[in-house]
Amino acid sequence: NAGVTQTPKFQVLKTGQSMTLQCAQDMNHEYMSWYRQDPGMGLRLIHYSVGAGITDQGEVPNGYNVSRSTTEDFPLRLLSAAPSQTSVYFCASSYSNLNTEAFFGQGTRLTVV
Amino acid sequence: KNEVEQSPQNLTAQEGEFITINCSYSVGISALHWLQQHPGGGIVSLFMLSSGKKKHGRLIATINIQEKHSSLHITASHPRDSAVYICAVRGADKLIFGTGTRLQVFP
Repeated sequence: NAGVTQTPKFQVLKTGQSMTLQCAQDMNHEYMSWYRQDPGMGLRLIHYSVGAGITDQGEVPNGYNVSRSTTEDFPLRLLSAAPSQTSVYFCASSYSNLNTEAFFGQGTRLTVV
Repeated sequence: KNEVEQSPQNLTAQEGEFITINCSYSVGISALHWLQQHPGGGIVSLFMLSSGKKKHGRLIATINIQEKHSSLHITASHPRDSAVYICAVRGADKLIFGTGTRLQVFP
């Protein structure tokens, strides 16, 4: 049982490049979400999904796209990377959006130069 | 003012000491989470609680809903407890995170 698998662990992008951060979970969780973690700030919600085919914006969605074609996968796409997107990104999943334990991936440290 | 405030921001301790990390919040919540983040590593859920107290090994978490306050206690601290501890509250439709408390335990 792998839990939440997030790849890559590290990535350097040039401004304007695009990329996809992968997130997969094998716990049959309905709720998945993406956060970014910046120094001095708490994790902030980028996008979330309450089930396959359903996604919604979080607190800081600009510059990011998501899709949820299967229950297992929830990729995060950066369309045109900007230095302001330099951050550590975490994917998380839980059984529901109610009071259930959250499971986090290992994080992706992204640098945009 | 942040909706979730943690104190202290940084904490150093000697091995064996009793440690307390505090979390105060200003919104209505249905649950509170305590998370642990090791340097360079991922985030692990320690506790989820909505009332009272929970214990797991040397870790104890308490919550006072009326006072909107929670504490995480570590008894007999060990260098392997060195990590960032994050408090998160579940509001109406999302988790709201504190900025974390960085704990260093020295032998």
